[in-house]
Amino acid sequence: EAQVTQNPRYLITVTGKKLTVTCSQNMNHEYMSWYRQDPGLGLRQIYYSMNVEVTDKGDVPEGYKVSRKEKRNFPLILESPSPNQTSLYFCASSLPGLSSYNEQFFGPGTRLTVL
Amino acid sequence: AQKITQTQPGMFVQEKEAVTLDCTYDTSDQSYGLFWYKQPSSGEMIFLIYQGSYDEQNATEGRYSLNFQKARKSANLVISASQLGDSAMYFCAMREANTGNQFYFGTGTSLTVIP
Repeated sequence: EAQVTQNPRYLITVTGKKLTVTCSQNMNHEYMSWYRQDPGLGLRQIYYSMNVEVTDKGDVPEGYKVSRKEKRNFPLILESPSPNQTSLYFCASSLPGLSSYNEQFFGPGTRLTVL
Repeated sequence: AQKITQTQPGMFVQEKEAVTLDCTYDTSDQSYGLFWYKQPSSGEMIFLIYQGSYDEQNATEGRYSLNFQKARKSANLVISASQLGDSAMYFCAMREANTGNQFYFGTGTSLTVIP
């Protein structure tokens, strides 16, 4: 089954404790992306990657890191989480370019709470 | 400036009636794609419909259609014959060809279908 998986689904942590949210896709997509969703703000792109070893900042990259060492994996790293990073996080993947076939497939989301 | 604007935070529609969810966008690119996603209360993101900037016909997918007015930079989603299962958040999104495939989402519209 074609899917994007994220782990963990729920995480409660404390300020400053480094964490990683994993993301993996099995569709051989070049493009992968991380979003955060906050009430009233919609989804905002954190980082995206067009291919292995190629990453770019989205609209809200501060406080986050990513890496793309393999095509299927795109982990999100919070080196020193703060309470304002409490949010719902989505990973997504797609083929590059513009067409109806290039929709983004989303993971199930990770709900992060930073105390 | 906001790339995607959804001005209706909440909408109500009677079951079996049609409803239009508004979306305007801002871009100077000639080549871009517009997407609509549905997010039910369970949280997953579901792709609904796509419209390319060069598509001459309005996109349709079952009960979903996109009212694309390029000169006005609007891409409104029309849901016909609303069903109770259509109650959800709806997000409009844009992907520009010339900005490295960055995605932009609106703040969403919460649709409630009344029996």
